[in-house]
Formats: sequence, C-alpha cells, structure tokens
Amino acid sequence: EVQLVESGGGLVQPGGSLRLSCSASGFTFSNYGMNWVRQAPGKGLEYVSGIGGDGGSTYSADSVKGRFTVSRDNSKNTLYLQMSSLRAEDTAVYYCVKDGGSYRFPPQIFDYWGQGTLVTVSS
Amino acid sequence: DVQMTQSPSSLSASVGDRVTITCRASQSISKNYLNWYQQKPGKAPKLLIYAATSLQSGVPSRFSGSGSGTDFTLTISSLQPEDFATYYCQQSYSTPQTFGQGTKLEIK
Repeated sequence: EVQLVESGGGLVQPGGSLRLSCSASGFTFSNYGMNWVRQAPGKGLEYVSGIGGDGGSTYSADSVKGRFTVSRDNSKNTLYLQMSSLRAEDTAVYYCVKDGGSYRFPPQIFDYWGQGTLVTVSS
Repeated sequence: DVQMTQSPSSLSASVGDRVTITCRASQSISKNYLNWYQQKPGKAPKLLIYAATSLQSGVPSRFSGSGSGTDFTLTISSLQPEDFATYYCQQSYSTPQTFGQGTKLEIK
C-alpha cells in the first residue's frame, strides 16, 4: 500500500525558513517523480515543485522560484521541500504527491497524495 | 501557463441526479493530459479519472469523463451521498501543471 506522510509544517514568521519532509513507502521510490502541491485556506490547488526519480530534473513554480528548493534522498525514501524567505501568501496545506507513471518527469498524473502538512506564515 | 476554467463553480443536486461538470482549457491539450480529482473537506484530493476517460482503480463506474481539445467533462451518472465534494480538473500537457478553480457539489 502506497503511503506518503508529510511532516515539518508549523507556524513561522515572515522571512523565516522551514523544511518539509515526506516519507514514502509501498512503492519503489526512486522510480517515480515526486511533487509538492499546496492549497491555501479555502482556495484551490497549486503545483509548487517537482523532482524526477533520480533527482536530476526539478521544477519550481514562478511563485516560489529562488525561495523553495525540492530535493530527495532515495536511500531514505524521503522527499523534501526547503522553504526560505517565507511570505504570508505561502500559508497553505502542502501535499506530497506521487506521479502515476514511472521513469518520467514532468509528472502527468498525481495518483497518491499524503494527508498534508499546514504551513502558517504569520507574525 | 495553460488556464483551466471549470463550470459551474458550485452546484446543488439531489441523490440519484445525473451531474456534469465542465472544464475548459485556454489552449488545446491532448486528452492524455487531462485528469479529474475529488476532494472532501479536510482531506487530500483523490484521483478519479486520468487521460480524460480512464477510471482510476477502485473508483465507482458511475464516474466517467469525456472530451478533447479544450473542452472536457466529468459526469456522475447517479449521485450518491458520498459524492458530495469539490471536484478539480488538472492539465499536465505543459508545465506548470495547472488545476481548475474547483466545482463544489452540494446536497439540494
């Protein structure tokens, strides 16, 4: 059974930093691109960042480029999102999401989602 | 970026009704790159349909998808109580992958 468990969210002041983690199990982690999708309170879904299975390809949305860095450790089956220079508009639930197809990037299908971790940026 | 526009934004319906949600892309996209998700309050989205018409494993057959080019639809043939949720379309034809604004399906 595929499981994605996010951690690391919390309250942070504007300008601060946070690192999110996503622990994956139930599939061969290194074969799949992984992604972060966020949802601001009461709002829709926004694709934030993604990374290929071998870590060689990455993407970050313009809204976070230069501030957020996606990475992965295939030996630990873990996906990361390093967030810095956080702004109020980054407040959201951040979901760790698996691509539905192996050995490809960018992703085509978001087939499994974690439960999400809430990041609140406020003074 | 490819903009995805859903209509309606909200919809009231009754158990047993047939419901259709429309998603329009700002440019033509291959049907292979159009997906639908269901989200219930406080929960993560769940994949329902991928490549416009393919039902994800475990999803009831009352859900179906169709469309091509710029216009796509999600149909629920006979609404069940557990179907009241928010539905999102998503394109993966070009990066960034973008979502529609969502359609909230409520009980009449």
